[in-house]
Formats: sequence, structure tokens, C-alpha cells
Amino acid sequence: TQLLEQSPQFLSIQEGENLTVYCNSSSVFSSLQWYRQEPGEGPVLLVTVVTGGEVKKLKRLTFQFGDARKDSSLHITAAQPGDTGLYLCAGGTGGFKTIFGAGTRLFVKA
Amino acid sequence: KAGVTQTPRYLIKTRGQQVTLSCSPISGHRSVSWYQQTPGQGLQFLFEYFSETQRNKGNFPGRFSGRQFSNSRSEMNVSTLELGDSALYLCASSLAHRGTDTQYFGPGTRLTVL
Repeated sequence: TQLLEQSPQFLSIQEGENLTVYCNSSSVFSSLQWYRQEPGEGPVLLVTVVTGGEVKKLKRLTFQFGDARKDSSLHITAAQPGDTGLYLCAGGTGGFKTIFGAGTRLFVKA
Repeated sequence: KAGVTQTPRYLIKTRGQQVTLSCSPISGHRSVSWYQQTPGQGLQFLFEYFSETQRNKGNFPGRFSGRQFSNSRSEMNVSTLELGDSALYLCASSLAHRGTDTQYFGPGTRLTVL
């Protein structure tokens, strides 16, 4: 069974702090997506990574796909209250399945 | 390009009733997947439609069904509603099958069963 484990499950930090969330699996994925979801809304795509070792930056967010394409991390620099939300990673298997992690719930206090 | 749209956004039903939810994918996308999201279970895959055919199905009872039209719009139906069906129902579209292509989500339909 393919699983994507996200850690931590919950994170509460002060505005201005840095943080990293992780998405790990024992399976290889053809691609990996990160989404942010706010309460009552659908997940919004942040990034897709497809190449092992790939690093993508989106303003204060840095995404990395592991060399073996089994894991990924999301690093946020100088977190802001607007970063609050549920962060989901999803791995594409290249077939007919996408595996979702359970998410990291981030709360940034002003 | 318009995003994925879902209607209605909110719905309140009573036990035993049935409900139909609608999803319009991004123009040009042929795959539509449906998910149920609850606080306790997270995102649970319901089914995927591609070119009007159900390609994959999650582990949900037969009360949950869906279909896709020739214009790629999709509907899902839940019959004989139960209290546990209260959830956020999300639709996601992609160009190709969900396992090979990035999925884009709609805002969801919040279903409350009383």
C-alpha cells in the first residue's frame, strides 16, 4: 500500500519564524504536488515537482523533491498569518492513482 | 482560464434524502475526480471519470455514484443520505488521468445531513 506521511501534523508558530514540513514515502512518485487549503475551501495548487532533486521557489516558499523521488519538503521563510492553512502533499503514481498525505495544519500567530 | 466550479456551494439535507452535486472542470480537462473530505478521515477518493467512463473507484458504498457528460462536466449523486455523509465534497480536474497529471480543485460543496 502506498502511503504519504506528512509531518508534523500540526504546527503553531509566531509571525516571522521559519518552518519546514515534510512529506515522506517508501514509494517512488512520478510527480509530487503541494496544495494549501483554507477552511471551507478547496485545496489550491502551490507547486508541482517532477525531477528528483528539483528545487522550486515561490516567494517565501521553497519546495524540494528528494533525489529518489520518494520524499519532499516545503520550507517557509518568515511566516506570515496569511500562510495559515492546511498544507497537503500529493504523489502521482504515473498510473491511475494519486496518493494524498493527511496534511500539516499550520497556524501563524501575529 | 476559468477554474473548476462546483455547485451548489452549500447544501442542507435530511437523512434518507438524495443529493446531486455538479462540477465543471477547467476547459480542455478530460478527467474529473471526486473526493470526500472530513476532519477525521482527511481526503478520501470517491471516483474518477475520464472521457465519460469511470476509470477508478474508491472504497465507498453503492449509494455514491457519478457520471460524466460529453462536455466533461460531471455530477455525483448520493442516495439515502446518512448523517455520516456530512462532509466537504471536492471535485478536481486534470488534463490526463489523475495519476499522471496535476489535479486542480474546485471550491467544494459543503453538505450537511440533519
